[in-house]
Amino acid sequence: QVQLKESGPGLVQPSQTLSLTCTVSGLSLTSNSVSWIRQPPGKGLEWMGVIWSNGGTDYNSAIKSRLSISRDTSKSQVFLKMNSLQTEDTAMYFCARFADYYDGYYHAYYFDYWGQGVMVTVSS
Amino acid sequence: DIQMTQSPASLSASLGETVSIECLASEGISNDLAWYQQKSGKSPQLLIYAASRLQDGVPSRFSGSGSGTRYSLKISGMQPEDEADYFCQQSYKYPLTFGSGTKLEIK
Repeated sequence: QVQLKESGPGLVQPSQTLSLTCTVSGLSLTSNSVSWIRQPPGKGLEWMGVIWSNGGTDYNSAIKSRLSISRDTSKSQVFLKMNSLQTEDTAMYFCARFADYYDGYYHAYYFDYWGQGVMVTVSS
Repeated sequence: DIQMTQSPASLSASLGETVSIECLASEGISNDLAWYQQKSGKSPQLLIYAASRLQDGVPSRFSGSGSGTRYSLKISGMQPEDEADYFCQQSYKYPLTFGSGTKLEIK
């Protein structure tokens, strides 16, 4: 079955770089797209970016200058790197499969499989 | 950015009651809308995609409807396991955006 699992440091110092890994199983990264989404404690969800099955990327313009998403298809891993971290970047970080539906008229995208999330705290 | 205004922010319902949650997009999103359920301490789970299509394995008491800028999620017959936060999300334009969430509790 499809599984995604995030891993990375739980604590990052302000101004440092965050590096997270999403390890997937049950699907191939060359035919599936993966997004990163984060959720500050007690708050809503923010889409960060996507790496498409062809390796292309798209980012949320609000954080684009600080964010990079890449992958290693041989290891079934997707990576997130975000620099210049501040306390407001404290959040649960999720990776999720970005799936699509097309019925000949409507084209829709959605997140159908999610990892359990990894909590990242930015603090000195 | 497309703003997704979700209402109500919270509500409580009795077991068996029918519940509706709404999302209003700041511009038309052509049915490119999904609904998620998030239980406490867990990751979100997909309920509905393409505005009205039920994800495999999701109970049929969940349904989605809407078009243009207005969309809704209905739970026909509240169950104890439905107590959770619910979010809408549009994928029509970048950046993808989520509603602020609805906290659904049992009365």
